[in-house]
Amino acid sequence: AQSVTQLDSQVPVFEEAPVELRCNYSSSVSVYLFWYVQYPNQGLQLLLKYLSGSTLVKGINGFEAEFNKSQTSFHLRKPSVHISDTAEYFCAVSGNQAGTALIFGKGTTLSVSS
Amino acid sequence: DTAVSQTPKYLVTQMGNDKSIKCEQNLGHDTMYWYKQDSKKFLKIMFSYNNKELIINETVPNRFSPKSPDKAHLNLHINSLELGDSAVYFCASSQELSRTRRFPQTQYFGPGTRLLVL
Repeated sequence: AQSVTQLDSQVPVFEEAPVELRCNYSSSVSVYLFWYVQYPNQGLQLLLKYLSGSTLVKGINGFEAEFNKSQTSFHLRKPSVHISDTAEYFCAVSGNQAGTALIFGKGTTLSVSS
Repeated sequence: DTAVSQTPKYLVTQMGNDKSIKCEQNLGHDTMYWYKQDSKKFLKIMFSYNNKELIINETVPNRFSPKSPDKAHLNLHINSLELGDSAVYFCASSQELSRTRRFPQTQYFGPGTRLLVL
């Protein structure tokens, strides 16, 4: 069975500071990992994904994540956040069969203040 | 030119009523999904369809019935609504896996339907 744990439910940070949102996964099969962002009252938007290859993945809006197999982690980072990054961030894991669903973590609320 | 659209965006109704939520995607995808997001923002899969065939049917009450009239549409009908059905329901779609698409494809989400049962 696959599962995802997001270690922080809320992360407050000041504008222009760096941020790391933590995600650990559990999977007995090949791992495919995703980070999605949800802005208030909107749907989910893909930030980045790891499918194979380079363990450092770059996404939209200056975010990046590193797949670490030995630590079963896929932490999301941004070197300098903006007020507009305030949102809910979800880490997810997926299988590789037709119609397979995303298994989401419980989300991390990133609050950026000035 | 919205990729994944849902109607209605908001739905307020009384307990015991029957309601439907519609989803349409214009991305040419073969796979569509329904997810439920509860009041604590936890997202969980309800159903997935691939080429109009049901693939995933999680532990969801029989009152929930998805219907896929064609590959571009996946509707959700809910009978005898209960207070606990209040949530945000998201539709999503993705391309189908194939010999050239061996990895999970990106799922594109609709804006959500906010259901409130009184």
